[in-house]
Amino acid sequence: EVQLVESGGDLVKPGGSLRLSCEVSGLTFSNAWMGWVRQAPGKGLEWVGRIKSKTDGGTTDYGTPVKGRFTITRDDSRDTLYLQMNSLKTEDTAVYYCNTDSLVRNIWGQGTLVTVSS
Amino acid sequence: DIVMTQSPDSLAVSLGERATINCKSSQSVLYSSSNENYLAWYQQKPGQPPKLLIYWASTRGSGVPDRFSGSGSGTDFTLTISSLQAEDVAVYYCQQYYSTPFSFGQGTKLELK
Repeated sequence: EVQLVESGGDLVKPGGSLRLSCEVSGLTFSNAWMGWVRQAPGKGLEWVGRIKSKTDGGTTDYGTPVKGRFTITRDDSRDTLYLQMNSLKTEDTAVYYCNTDSLVRNIWGQGTLVTVSS
Repeated sequence: DIVMTQSPDSLAVSLGERATINCKSSQSVLYSSSNENYLAWYQQKPGQPPKLLIYWASTRGSGVPDRFSGSGSGTDFTLTISSLQAEDVAVYYCQQYYSTPFSFGQGTKLELK
């Protein structure tokens, strides 16, 4: 069974930084393209970004509101995906989901809550 | 960036009746060389992550009941639930994956009448 488990969500002040992790099991992580999607409280889904597998170049793409502030990385030796968030704003408050960026095998974690508030 | 607009924002349908949700993209998501529409539909129930229902605009995901169907091409798409069941109460989102940043519609809340 494929499982994605996010962690690292916390309360952080505006301007601060936070790193989220997503541990993956049950699939060959190194071959997987992975992504992050967020959802502000009571709001809709917002695409944060994705990272391709290293064999496909390992490149990243980001949503417009987070470009230049957020960085997606992966550690294939640990089967773990990361989201480094810098210069956080109150509007970044959301549940952050990691998911497999795949149509045939589209799996999501349960999410981790990030709250940006003074 | 491609903007996705869903209609209606909310919808109330009786059990066993048909539910129809529309999605419009600000530019075509049809990739001409493959003749595929880069459009997906997700279902999200309260307290749960989204679940992929439909991709390539009309291909059902694994285990998705056949009462769910997707149609459309280019910029206009529809998700249809042929006979609404109680477990279909949820918020539904369309998403384009034609070009990054991949964007979602604002969501349509489906309730029981």
